Amino acid sequence: EIVLTQSPGTLSFSPGERATLSCRASQSVDSRYLGWYQQKPGQAPRLLIYGTSTRATGIPDRFSGSGSGTDFSLTISRLEPADFAVYYCQQFGSSRLSFGGGTKVEIK
Amino acid sequence: QVQLVQSGSEVKKPGASVKVSCKASGYTFTSYDINWVRQDTGQGLEWMGWMNPNTGATGYAQKFQGRVTMTRDTSISTAYMELTSLRSEDTAVYYCARGPPYSAYSNNGYSHYVMDVWGQGSTVTVSS
Repeated sequence: EIVLTQSPGTLSFSPGERATLSCRASQSVDSRYLGWYQQKPGQAPRLLIYGTSTRATGIPDRFSGSGSGTDFSLTISRLEPADFAVYYCQQFGSSRLSFGGGTKVEIK
Repeated sequence: QVQLVQSGSEVKKPGASVKVSCKASGYTFTSYDINWVRQDTGQGLEWMGWMNPNTGATGYAQKFQGRVTMTRDTSISTAYMELTSLRSEDTAVYYCARGPPYSAYSNNGYSHYVMDVWGQGSTVTVSS
């Protein structure tokens, strides 16, 4: 089973700043199968990125994803108030799926 | 519009079973996997398994093997997740979520595998 580690658990930024979130895998992940979600309190997760770097429908271009192998990242170029939330990475392999523990992006 | 609507909250006693439903609308139910994901209060997301609504094939996370069963009724475009032998640690919000379309599958596997449509969540509380 592939374990995804997101650290740190919380990052603090001011609106307008650039945020880069990390997702590290315990073994290599096929880049087709790495995605990112955003979740706000009381809501279901929302798909942001799939295939490492492709934005889902309706996702603004300030969100971007990159990486390969065991190291992946999500970058928010200029944080807006609506972007303060928890972000999860997710991988799929051998018909099994797993999530990282999440990174909370909070207002400094 | 495309949506997944789940059944309501449940309160169960330890040792009991719970069955959560997930009704799909706005798309062809049998053309996409349904996954189930749960989330303990204030905690992260935990994947439970997937089901192919067309064939009924399933794949479960090892943690839930033997306790979870995912089924469907294609006549009403509804997926079900049943969890047995409930314990307090099973108290969580349970989500169903749609996987990629089968048209994204080729000899090289899926072109991607993420969940683009989620249900609103069903709260299951296990308490004596």
